[in-house]
Amino acid sequence: GQSLEQPSEVTAVEGAIVQINCTYQTSGFYGLSWYQQHDGGAPTFLSYNALDGLEETGRFSSFLSRSDSYGYLLLQELQMKDSASYFCAVRDANRGSTLGRLYFGRGTQLTVWP
Amino acid sequence: NAGVTQTPKFQVLKTGQSMTLQCAQDMNHNSMYWYRQDPGMGLRLIYYSASEGTTDKGEVPNGYNVSRLNKREFSLRLESAAPSQTSVYFCASTRQGQSSSNQPQHFGDGTRLSIL
Repeated sequence: GQSLEQPSEVTAVEGAIVQINCTYQTSGFYGLSWYQQHDGGAPTFLSYNALDGLEETGRFSSFLSRSDSYGYLLLQELQMKDSASYFCAVRDANRGSTLGRLYFGRGTQLTVWP
Repeated sequence: NAGVTQTPKFQVLKTGQSMTLQCAQDMNHNSMYWYRQDPGMGLRLIYYSASEGTTDKGEVPNGYNVSRLNKREFSLRLESAAPSQTSVYFCASTRQGQSSSNQPQHFGDGTRLSIL
């Protein structure tokens, strides 16, 4: 089966840097994704890592280490609007018909203070 | 371009009633998904449809049925609603492609369902 662990809450102040960690256990692995969700609205895609290393997209970066079954989302120059829930998710690699299937962590609630 | 559209946005049911949640996407995606989200539980997959004409159970399928009506539409049915099915339901879609390529899921705005 699959399991993902991430912290339930993180707080930081505007302008700071915050890192949200995710460890996973899967029977097959194709990549680690991150999604953002504001106030229970539609989750939106942030980033995806299929290979080890750092992927940067503006103020957000995501890192993956497949040997450690570990990844993180790094948010820089935090803004109030970054207050949201962040979910890591892994893709199931075991079944050819379900390549798009994701398993989600329970989410990390980020609160950014002024 | 609407993306993924879910109806209704809110619904209150009595225990034992039935209802169908509708989902439609206009992105020509192959795969569609139904999730439920409960406080502190993240997103849990109920059912999914990898392509038109196929459906499979996810992590929490009990008490639900689905229909992939065509490539655009994927509906979720509660035959006899129970209070434990009170939740926020999200539909998502994605384009199925190469195994290592990125396949972000696109989500609807959700249906907030209360069972009394």
